[in-house]
Amino acid sequence: EAQLVESGGGLVQPGGSLRLSCAASGFTFSSYSMNWVRQAPGKGLEWVSYISTSSSSIYYADSVKGRFTISRDNAKNSLYLQMNSLRAEDTAVYYCARDLSLKVWGQGTLVTVSS
Amino acid sequence: SYVLTQPPSVSVAPGQTARITCGGNNIGSKSVHWYQQKPGQAPVLVVYDDSDRPSGIPERFSGSNSGNTATLTISRVEAGDEADYYCQVWDSSSAHVVFGGGTKLTVL
Repeated sequence: EAQLVESGGGLVQPGGSLRLSCAASGFTFSSYSMNWVRQAPGKGLEWVSYISTSSSSIYYADSVKGRFTISRDNAKNSLYLQMNSLRAEDTAVYYCARDLSLKVWGQGTLVTVSS
Repeated sequence: SYVLTQPPSVSVAPGQTARITCGGNNIGSKSVHWYQQKPGQAPVLVVYDDSDRPSGIPERFSGSNSGNTATLTISRVEAGDEADYYCQVWDSSSAHVVFGGGTKLTVL
């Protein structure tokens, strides 16, 4: 069964950095594009970033472009999100999700940006 | 940027049919995916590519897409269907994944 497990969330001060990880299992990770999606408390889903299978295509939402960096390590079946210059409005549960139809989701990891 | 519009809420009695719409400019030319999210849980894909169902999703869930409107239809609604529902497309012109604002389905 395909499974995604996020980690790395926590409390960080405004302006700080955090690196999220997403561990994949139960499917051939290198064959699928991946996404990060977030959900602020009480709000809807917001797409954050996309990465293709070979990392040749990478896209970001305007709200995070220049501050966040998506990457993957196919040998380790892992997806990452490096988040810099964090703001209060980045507070959310962050999910990793497989391919463009988001067929598989992780359980999410909470990022709280607060002083 | 591409915008998807959903009604904030839909209410339906048990056993009836719920229809949740997702409006977008010429959305019929895109593949639409639908997600169900219950409180405290991650979203779950219930319909992909306009009308296909992942394994394990009941046949009561169906989708259609034409013109400027995509629709998720839930037949014979059950109490357990109460959740938030989101539509989603890939906008190739902006290279962005786009979500609708979400619709809260209430089972009366």
